[in-house]
Amino acid sequence: SQKIEQNSEALNIQEGKTATLTCNYTNYSPAYLQWYRQDPGRGPVFLLLIRENEKEKRKERLKVTFDTTLKQSLFHITASQPADSATYLCALAPGGGDMRFGAGTRLTVKP
Amino acid sequence: NAGVTQTPKFQVLKTGQSMTLQCAQDMNHEYMSWYRQDPGMGLRLIHYSVGAGITDQGEVPNGYNVSRSTTEDFPLRLLSAAPSQTSVYFCASSPITGGAETQYFGPGTRLLVL
Repeated sequence: SQKIEQNSEALNIQEGKTATLTCNYTNYSPAYLQWYRQDPGRGPVFLLLIRENEKEKRKERLKVTFDTTLKQSLFHITASQPADSATYLCALAPGGGDMRFGAGTRLTVKP
Repeated sequence: NAGVTQTPKFQVLKTGQSMTLQCAQDMNHEYMSWYRQDPGMGLRLIHYSVGAGITDQGEVPNGYNVSRSTTEDFPLRLLSAAPSQTSVYFCASSPITGGAETQYFGPGTRLLVL
């Protein structure tokens, strides 16, 4: 069956460190992979999109990698800040079809 | 632009009641979708639409109906509410389908079925 697994329910790190979140998938061949941020009581907000033929994408302190051989995406936040505390969701899309989300990882950045 | 708006913000229903969750977007997006979010399960797709007059089922469509008569609006109907439909519902829109573009989410509707 198809699965999207995000490495852990919760991740706690110290301010200034790099947070690394993992998204693994099975029985999918996604053309696109997206990462979203969700704050409590709010809808998800888009952060980054990476295509299957791209290895890495960056945006300010954010970096996403996409390894279609390992069937894995890594999401990095460098120089993390308490304001980065939120739940981060990965989403896969096959291209032309609907999008499926992982359960999310709750990140807490401690001062 | 207001983006994606949803009403109501919160609703309590009794088992067997019906209701419609409203969703509207003012970005002229062709693709709209409904998700439900439950603890530990992430967002699950209920129904989606690739344009006015076209709808299709997602991962968990049972107990829900949709229609898309205009580009702007995509209401979700609960025909006979059940406690298992207690959840947070999000509507989203995107310029195109398939994940090649950003999805814009509404603020959500929290539904409690007693």
